[in-house]
Amino acid sequence: EIVLTQSPATLSLSPGERATLSCRASQSVSSYLAWYQQKPGQAPRLLIYDASNRATGIPARFSGSGSGTDFTLTISSLEPEDCAVYYCQQRTTWPFTFGPGTKVDIK
Amino acid sequence: EVQLVESGGDLVQPGGSLRLSCAASGFIFSSFWMHWVRQAPGKGLLWVSRINSDGSTTSYADSVKGRFTISRDNAKNTLYLQMNSLRAEDTAVYYCAKTLVDKSVIDFWGQGTLVTVSS
Repeated sequence: EIVLTQSPATLSLSPGERATLSCRASQSVSSYLAWYQQKPGQAPRLLIYDASNRATGIPARFSGSGSGTDFTLTISSLEPEDCAVYYCQQRTTWPFTFGPGTKVDIK
Repeated sequence: EVQLVESGGDLVQPGGSLRLSCAASGFIFSSFWMHWVRQAPGKGLLWVSRINSDGSTTSYADSVKGRFTISRDNAKNTLYLQMNSLRAEDTAVYYCAKTLVDKSVIDFWGQGTLVTVSS
């Protein structure tokens, strides 16, 4: 099973600041890495797939990069509504797995 | 508009059984892989099971293999998860999900149904 680790566990930033979230895989997942956003009481929402492709309707302030084992989700300028937990997910091999999440708090 | 509506979540005793359903609409159900993902209270996400478009191929997480069975009825646009021998650690919100047609990336989630396993 491919294990995904995310860092930091929590990120506390002010509106307008840049957020950088990391996801590392225990073995190469090529570019088959997705990012989801989950707000309290809601289902997750797809942000990025295949490492760097924004999903439909996702604002341009969200971007993804990386390949192999190291990936980054960047929120270029935080908005208050970006307060959420962010998960990465690999689809290279079954079982598909999620990282433990990074919680983004807005100061 | 894509809709996935789960039902069947309940309080059940350890060792008991439960069947979850997911009614799908707004897309060609019979063309897509479908999935169940769960989230224990305050915890992360676990991809529980998947089934291909015609129901001939299924996969399970190790933690549920042999106890859970995923199935679908394409005539009724409905996905199922039969859960047997339930354990306390199966307590979670269970989400029905669809993926993109050519990638195992979840582009739409249901609202979830809560399964609580407790005596």
